[in-house]
Amino acid sequence: RKEVEQDPGPFNVPEGATVAFNCTYSNSASQSFFWYRQDCRKEPKLLMSVYSSGNEDGRFTAQLNRASQYISLLIRDSKLSDSATYLCAVDNDYKLSFGAGTTVTVRA
Amino acid sequence: NAGVTQTPKFQVLKTGQSMTLQCAQDMNHEYMSWYRQDPGMGLRLIHYSVGAGITDQGEVPNGYNVSRSTTEDFPLRLLSAAPSQTSVYFCASSYPGSDEQYFGPGTRLTVT
Repeated sequence: RKEVEQDPGPFNVPEGATVAFNCTYSNSASQSFFWYRQDCRKEPKLLMSVYSSGNEDGRFTAQLNRASQYISLLIRDSKLSDSATYLCAVDNDYKLSFGAGTTVTVRA
Repeated sequence: NAGVTQTPKFQVLKTGQSMTLQCAQDMNHEYMSWYRQDPGMGLRLIHYSVGAGITDQGEVPNGYNVSRSTTEDFPLRLLSAAPSQTSVYFCASSYPGSDEQYFGPGTRLTVT
């Protein structure tokens, strides 16, 4: 079983829609969780960290469910510029394990 | 600050050749890592370093060597290139305890 698994999508949504997807992790001792954004053939960039209480940054909301060992990302009011691949990452002793990514395409 | 820089951007090697991928950062980060990214596989950790003189293996270390003689540089050496090493390679750096890893622009390597 992979350490971090994601629904690859693609999620194809119209502008203004809400899209949400999850990422599951296998190591119950994992402490830190992140969402990274990767544009086509570019380097990943941190979108947001995921805290136990959940956190929100503008139109983006991240949640952590330790009991079921998954994290989620919700994007509200989607913009064309949100089209990207979203990678979840789990930190174990400063070694990041990444999921394969969820592709989101926002159409006009 | 230039951030994390990687050279070369593109490289084609023949099977059996060796080469070094360069990575440098000017943010005085202690932690540096090398990842490879393959379609459908996500990023996989090759080697990492928690400071100058200290390196350790990640998930997929076979066929690669690293060294960390300075805080700034973390080169990745391919000892004898194989087609299975065709991939995009990313270097990353961070502070201890920091949430964010900063990635370089990547090196696209093809082994024929």
